Amino acid sequence: DTGVSQNPRHKITKRGQNVTFRCDPISEHNRLYWYRQTLGQGPEFLTYFQNEAQLEKSRLLSDRFSAERPKGSFSTLEIQRTEQGDSAMYLCASSLANNEQYFGPGTRLTVT
Amino acid sequence: AQSVAQPEDQVNVAEGNPLTVKCTYSVSGNPYLFWYVQYPNRGLQFLLKYITGDNLVKGSYGFEAEFNKSQTSFHLKKPSALVSDSALYFCAVRAPYSGAGSYQLTFGKGTKLSVIP
Repeated sequence: DTGVSQNPRHKITKRGQNVTFRCDPISEHNRLYWYRQTLGQGPEFLTYFQNEAQLEKSRLLSDRFSAERPKGSFSTLEIQRTEQGDSAMYLCASSLANNEQYFGPGTRLTVT
Repeated sequence: AQSVAQPEDQVNVAEGNPLTVKCTYSVSGNPYLFWYVQYPNRGLQFLLKYITGDNLVKGSYGFEAEFNKSQTSFHLKKPSALVSDSALYFCAVRAPYSGAGSYQLTFGKGTKLSVIP
């Protein structure tokens, strides 16, 4: 069990550019979640996958955001036409069925 | 909709003293409750959970939490604080049912714990 990994750890981009983050869950975990955390706040749910199926999306996930989990393994979160308000820590978590979620170290996005 | 309140932004405690970090929740049905800890520039680490059973739940690093259904609370406790316990603590709730909205964790805003040597 190597834990949840996320890449890159930090990303600085200019407004209007597209960015993509990757999450590798714990290998036997079939559920994968994306959250966003801003300074002084707790993580906020973005989206959830069970295996390769995206079963739920938060209203926070605007049309500029898209997530995939091909073959039920790693997941990617893409943000198109980034805005300064997208600056945040993006956290990925995984779980086995309904058990507790284990979080990765996060990707810190700064939009300039 | 489910929600979590952590009424204290910061808790200061002297090393060796007992600590309590407060959490109250709102959810339909019997809740699934969790505590996570976050160290600077790191992700959240799972501490403990309450699903059902004994109201006193024991977790990692000597932490425990007490579920109180009548007060809708799930306070985190430790008998003797360590300086290394200084971190940001998050309480989270998940709905007990299956289906839409049940998969996500809803977090409080966090409580910064400072243990003073």
